[in-house]
Amino acid sequence: RKEVEQDPGPFNVPEGATVAFNCTYSNSASQSFFWYRQDCRKEPKLLMSVYSSGNEDGRFTAQLNRASQYISLLIRDSKLSDSATYLCGSMNYGGSQGNLIFGKGTKLSVKP
Amino acid sequence: EPEVTQTPSHQVTQMGQEVILRCVPISNHLYFYWYRQILGQKVEFLVSFYNNEISEKSEIFDDQFSVERPDGSNFTLKIRSTKLEDSAMYFCASSEGAGVRLFFGSGTQLSVL
Repeated sequence: RKEVEQDPGPFNVPEGATVAFNCTYSNSASQSFFWYRQDCRKEPKLLMSVYSSGNEDGRFTAQLNRASQYISLLIRDSKLSDSATYLCGSMNYGGSQGNLIFGKGTKLSVKP
Repeated sequence: EPEVTQTPSHQVTQMGQEVILRCVPISNHLYFYWYRQILGQKVEFLVSFYNNEISEKSEIFDDQFSVERPDGSNFTLKIRSTKLEDSAMYFCASSEGAGVRLFFGSGTQLSVL
């Protein structure tokens, strides 16, 4: 079974903390990777795509290790507004096929 | 930012009834998807649709489910005979190509009584 695994948390951190989330995927044919953010009872929204070389967007850094089938997300200088559930997703596509498979999500709570 | 729109936002139905959930994907997108999320659980893939046919479906997407793109703008999910366990948030999504980000609609909360 092709799965994406995440630590569900919750991660309870103070404002300003650095927090790291990890994710593993079992489908070695996966080709695209994403971090989405989901607020309570809302739709997933793209936080960032994850590239092999690693990528950074402000306080957020994503890394991909294809050999270990491992994805990470680092959030620096946490804000109260970062409180949400973070979904790791992997996609295998080819021709007309493709679907994005999510992990269960990691819940982050940033406290004042 | 372009949006995927879904209607209705809430749908209440009786067990055994048929429901149709509606979605308008982003206009230049070619790939369409349905996901569901049971309360407190993960966002689960149901089906993907490309070039007017299903390209992939999960084991959840059984014969009770069907999808259709009846015209150039709408994308629908039909549940033929609803069960209590179909109660969930259903998200529609679209993407402009294979392997790129999906844009999600705000969802339809389906409650089966």
